[in-house]
Parts: sequence; structure tokens; C-alpha cells
Amino acid sequence: EIVLTQSPGTLSLSPGERVTLSCRASQSVIGSYLAWYQQKPGQAPRLLIYGASNRATGIPDRFSGSGSGTDFTLIISRLEPEDFALYFCQHFGSSPPWTFGQGTKLEIK
Amino acid sequence: EVQVVESGGGLIQPGGSLRLSCAASGFNVSKNHVTWVRQAPGKGLEWVSVFYFDGATYYAESVKGHFTISRDISKNTLYLQMNSLRVEDTAIYYCARVRRWSTLSVYWNYGMDVWGQGTTVTVSS
Repeated sequence: EIVLTQSPGTLSLSPGERVTLSCRASQSVIGSYLAWYQQKPGQAPRLLIYGASNRATGIPDRFSGSGSGTDFTLIISRLEPEDFALYFCQHFGSSPPWTFGQGTKLEIK
Repeated sequence: EVQVVESGGGLIQPGGSLRLSCAASGFNVSKNHVTWVRQAPGKGLEWVSVFYFDGATYYAESVKGHFTISRDISKNTLYLQMNSLRVEDTAIYYCARVRRWSTLSVYWNYGMDVWGQGTTVTVSS
């Protein structure tokens, strides 16, 4: 089973800043199977990025994803107040079990 | 509108059973993978189970043997039968559609693109 490790655990930043979130896999994975989600308090997760680099419907272009092999990143080019939330990466694999990273909390500085 | 609505959660004693439902609208459960994901209080997301469009089912090791996923195509609804519930099964249970996008390679892109609001299961004596 592939283990996803996200870093940092918590990040304190200010609106307007650029942020890079990391997701590292315990072994090389196919980028098609890597997704990112955003979760705000009291809400269900929301798909941001699928296939490592494709923005989901309605996701602003300040969000971008990249990476291959074992290292993947989610970049928010310029933080908006509504971007402060939890972020999870997830790996599907060719078949389950599927796994999530433990999450990165993005908080206002 | 494409959506899923979960129901069936509640307070249950250890060892008890619950059946969660996930009613889909705007898409067919027979043509999509549909999955359950849970989140324990203050914790991260944990994948639980999935029902593939072709009928295959898969489970996380933590629930294998005591959870069963099923679907009723006529009702366009997915179910999660949870037996022998344990305190550690306490969580919000989310249902989500797993969408696939074709690519230029042999691989499909995947993402859980439609989520319900979740239903809370509390296992406690």
C-alpha cells in the first residue's frame, strides 16, 4: 500500500502570498492517479486537482498541481482569504486500496 | 444537478449495526464508481470502500469483513452495511462519485468530484 506524506503539517501565511504544498509517495506512482482536495471546517472535501495537474471544474487558476514519480506539489499562486483550509492529496492506484495523505492545514498568519 | 445525499448515521453501541445510504441524482451509479470515505473527529480522510461501475467491490483493510458495500440500481442508491461496529468506526461518512477522465495515455485520470454532506456515525456505550 502506498503511503502519502504531506508537508508541512501546518503552514501560517498571509493573504497574497504564494504557497507550495508537498505530497510525497512511498513509491513511484502514476500521475494520473494523484488528486488534491480542499476541505473547510464543517464541509465536505472539494476536488481541486485530478491527474496531478488538471484543475477540476470551477477551480480558480491560482491553483495548480505538478509532479511525477514520488513528488507532487500543489501551488496556490496568490492566497485569497477563502483559501485557508485543509488540503489533502490522494492516490487511486490501478486498484484499491486508495490512500490519502494526512493533510496540510493552511492558516492565516 | 449532480449530487449525492447520505443518510442513516446515528448513535450506536459497540457491536451494533447500521446501514448507510447514498442517494445519487444527476448521474447513474451503474455507470460510475461510487465510494465511501470517512473522517474521524479532528482527523484526516480515510478511504473505506468503493463499488465499481462493473460491480467489483473493494474495502480498506480496517473494515474488511465487517462492512459490506452494495447498490440498488433501480433506486440509484449505494449502501454501506456496517456490522460489529467499534468505537474506532466513529466518524463522518462521506459518499463520493469517482469520476474518470480519458487521457492520451493508457491511464485514466481519477478524482472524487461529487461529495455529499456526510452522515455522522457515533459508536459509544
